[in-house]
Amino acid sequence: DAKTTQPNSMESNEEEPVHLPCNHSTISGTDYIHWYRQLPSQGPEYVIHGLTSNVNNRMASLAIAEDRKSSTLILHRATLRDAAVYYCILSSGGSNYKLTFGKGTLLTVNP
Amino acid sequence: NAGVMQNPRHLVRRRGQEARLRCSPMKGHSHVYWYRQLPEEGLKFMVYLQKENIIDESGMPKERFSAEFPKEGPSILRIQQVVRGDSAAYFCASSLSVAGISYEQYFGPGTRLTVT
Repeated sequence: DAKTTQPNSMESNEEEPVHLPCNHSTISGTDYIHWYRQLPSQGPEYVIHGLTSNVNNRMASLAIAEDRKSSTLILHRATLRDAAVYYCILSSGGSNYKLTFGKGTLLTVNP
Repeated sequence: NAGVMQNPRHLVRRRGQEARLRCSPMKGHSHVYWYRQLPEEGLKFMVYLQKENIIDESGMPKERFSAEFPKEGPSILRIQQVVRGDSAAYFCASSLSVAGISYEQYFGPGTRLTVT
C-alpha cells in the first residue's frame, strides 16, 4: 500500500483557516485520497475524499497537487470542535474500501 | 437517521473466553467493515462483509477470529479463546455501495475489549 506522511501535530486558533498537509509520493493512478478525523474515544468520522480534482464539501476542502504526490486538507474556519486527529489515507484500485490509518496529525485549536 | 451502532461499548473477558461484538449498520447500508485499533496505533482493516457474504478477510488473524453478517440482524465479530493481545478497540463501519468507486464509510463508536 502506498504510504502517507503527515506532521505529528499542528496548532491553530479558533476562527482561522487550517491547512493540514499530507505527502504521498508513491501514490498510483488509481489511489483515492481520503481524510478522516477521530476525536478521543470515538470512531473515525469521514471528512472528504478525492482522486485528481480539488473537492469541496460542507466540512472542508481538499486540494490535490497536480502530480498527486501531496494534498492539503483545508478547514476554512477552525472551531474548538475541529480538534481531533486527522488521518490522510490512500486506498488503491480494486480495494478502495480498505482503509489503513497511520498516526495522523493531532490538531489543537486554541480559543 | 441512526448512525452505526455497536454493542457492547465495553467488554471485559478473561483469557480463554469468547468475545462477541455486534454491529448494526446505518439504515440502507449493506456493506460492513471491521477494524481493530491496538493501543497507540492506527486502525487496521480486518474484514469486509456484505449480507451473508465475506468479501475480503485479508486483515483477519488466521485463527480464533471470525465474522458474519447474516440476512437478518447485526454483523458479529467473534473472537474465540481470547488472549491479552486481543485487547483493543474494535470499530465497525458501514457504507452504501462499492461498485469500484470510492465512497465514505460511517464508523460506529467502537467496542473496547479488555482481556484480563
